[in-house]
Amino acid sequence: AQKITQTQPGMFVQEKEAVTLDCTYDTSDQSYGLFWYKQPSSGEMIFLIYQGSYDEQNATEGRYSLNFQKARKSANLVISASQLGDSAMYFCAMREGWVLTGGGNKLTFGTGTQLKVEL
Amino acid sequence: NAGVTQTPKFQVLKTGQSMTLQCAQDMNHEYMSWYRQDPGMGLRLIHYSVGAGITDQGEVPNGYNVSRSTTEDFPLRLLSAAPSQTSVYFCASSYGDSGANVLTFGAGSRLTVL
Repeated sequence: AQKITQTQPGMFVQEKEAVTLDCTYDTSDQSYGLFWYKQPSSGEMIFLIYQGSYDEQNATEGRYSLNFQKARKSANLVISASQLGDSAMYFCAMREGWVLTGGGNKLTFGTGTQLKVEL
Repeated sequence: NAGVTQTPKFQVLKTGQSMTLQCAQDMNHEYMSWYRQDPGMGLRLIHYSVGAGITDQGEVPNGYNVSRSTTEDFPLRLLSAAPSQTSVYFCASSYGDSGANVLTFGAGSRLTVL
């Protein structure tokens, strides 16, 4: 079974509007971390935001926020006031376990959502 | 402040050839890993290391070898390249493996196997 599911292969949003990118996850661990990365057309992977499973508040980083609904196992990324530079592929990822001896900081990634911001 | 440096950026190989993708980080990170990215499949973990001298397999290790003789370097070796190994390869590192320890990625290496 997929551990990270991103059901939107492609999304369009108009400049200055908000957009939500969906991510659902599957884990039996109580402790885990959720990450979002951005991959522009140049190819590099850029970290955006992190949410820990025990964090009670939704994470925010500037125009990025993470809508964390633990019971529904969803961790949607919200981008407010979209800009042309936000056009990119966005990946949701999960690290299972909290402090693992030799855990290695292994991430499981979703298949990504291609976001296109239009004028 | 170089971060994670991968070389080469592009490589074309013939089936059966061998090569090494180099990865170096200057952040004194203990944890390093290699991922491959294929269209429609996200990133998948190949091998990882939790410190010098310690490596382990990830989700898709077949056809790849790694070693970690120093904290800084984590090369990925393809002993006999196959067309199925055509992919973009990313090296990543982090200081720790808990909490908000974030993976820092290299710029990627695009490999084509003919």
